[in-house]
Amino acid sequence: QVQLVQSGAEVRKPGASVKVSCKTSGYTFTSLDINWMRQAPGQGLEWMGWLSPNRGETDYAQRFRGRVTMTRDTATNTAYMELTGLQSDDTAIYFCARGIEAGFDHWGQGTLVTVSS
Amino acid sequence: QAVVTQPASLSASPGATARLTCTLRRDISIGPYKIYWYQQKPGSPPLFLLNYKSDSDKLRASGVNSRFSGYKDASANAGILLISGLQSEDQADYYCLVWHSEAYVFGSGTTVTVL
Repeated sequence: QVQLVQSGAEVRKPGASVKVSCKTSGYTFTSLDINWMRQAPGQGLEWMGWLSPNRGETDYAQRFRGRVTMTRDTATNTAYMELTGLQSDDTAIYFCARGIEAGFDHWGQGTLVTVSS
Repeated sequence: QAVVTQPASLSASPGATARLTCTLRRDISIGPYKIYWYQQKPGSPPLFLLNYKSDSDKLRASGVNSRFSGYKDASANAGILLISGLQSEDQADYYCLVWHSEAYVFGSGTTVTVL
């Protein structure tokens, strides 16, 4: 079955960076995009961008451009999202999700990133 | 003004039909848009429910109960999620999603409470 398994919770100081992984299984990794979203405590969902594992092509939401980098390792079927220049308002749960034409049909369990001095 | 707007909350009784709205900003005509709907319960990632663009272009995700359906109200410029025969297990946050100006945009979500 399709699974997306994310790396564990992280704590970072302001100004630091974080890299979250999303290991996929149960389908052909390079055939479908991976999207990244985040959800601040008690808040709604925010789309951050997408990655094409086949070509390595990316597109990022305007507000994250310059701070986010999405990459992949096709040998391990894993996608990565790195966010730099962390501030307290980046404290959130970060999700990866497989994108099919119909929607984001499978999601990772989420990774809590806490930014605190 | 936000691209998509959702009411913050909705309460309904068991067995009732809940009508959730996802209203596009006035300058954006809903006609060409596909609306995606997600359900999220506390401590869990969102669950893809369905999408709706037209009666000939719609999809309910595998395993999702047929009590969930979608359509558009063109007069209100809104996508609609209907939950019929409301059950306690339907108590959750519901988010709509659209692709607009080369980006995905989520609505702020509606919390459904089953009284």
